[in-house]
Amino acid sequence: DTAVSQTPKYLVTQMGNDKSIKCEQNLGHDTMYWYKQDSKKFLKIMFSYNNKELIINETVPNRFSPKSPDKAHLNLHINSLELGDSAVYFCASSRLTDYNEQFFGPGTRLTVL
Amino acid sequence: AQSVTQPDIHITVSEGASLELRCNYSYGATPYLFWYVQSPGQGLQLLLKYFSGDTLVQGIKGFEAEFKRSQSSFNLRKPSVHWSDAAEYFCAVGIQGGKLIFGQGTELSVKP
Repeated sequence: DTAVSQTPKYLVTQMGNDKSIKCEQNLGHDTMYWYKQDSKKFLKIMFSYNNKELIINETVPNRFSPKSPDKAHLNLHINSLELGDSAVYFCASSRLTDYNEQFFGPGTRLTVL
Repeated sequence: AQSVTQPDIHITVSEGASLELRCNYSYGATPYLFWYVQSPGQGLQLLLKYFSGDTLVQGIKGFEAEFKRSQSSFNLRKPSVHWSDAAEYFCAVGIQGGKLIFGQGTELSVKP
């Protein structure tokens, strides 16, 4: 009965590779997000989708491409991975009423070697 | 620009002692404020939130927070800390469009 799930939990890969992280929520929410947590634990929003439509797109390299096949899923694809992409990536979901609380997934720790 | 500041990067308290974690925000409109907790290797769990009304809000695990508009603060408190409270605590402000702006986090250690 996990509310927001992410796969994989850990991802170790070489520079230059392409990888994807998947996120699913079973809360019936219409909005999903991707956050990046850096090595200093600072959390910053990357993207937000509402009903499969992109609504927040922060200044993220275009190597990062979110994809939402339906409102319960939001995947993150990263091309040409760089060392600086190493971080923990969190998916979250909420109802889009501007200030509703967001429910977070367990995170995916990405390590680029 | 919107921002959240948590002045204390790391706090250590003894088990059973009281706790206060500080949070200051900068936002031009009415703030919607949150405290989240992150245990090691885990995701973020919401402790409490303030949208409007009573400025003292109660949350889970015995935590409370007080919104002070005049000080632009939303400090988190707990009267008696348990060893299981050791974690990273994040204050956040919700802004238009559903975006959360997080503070840098405060790491709480609990001494036996």
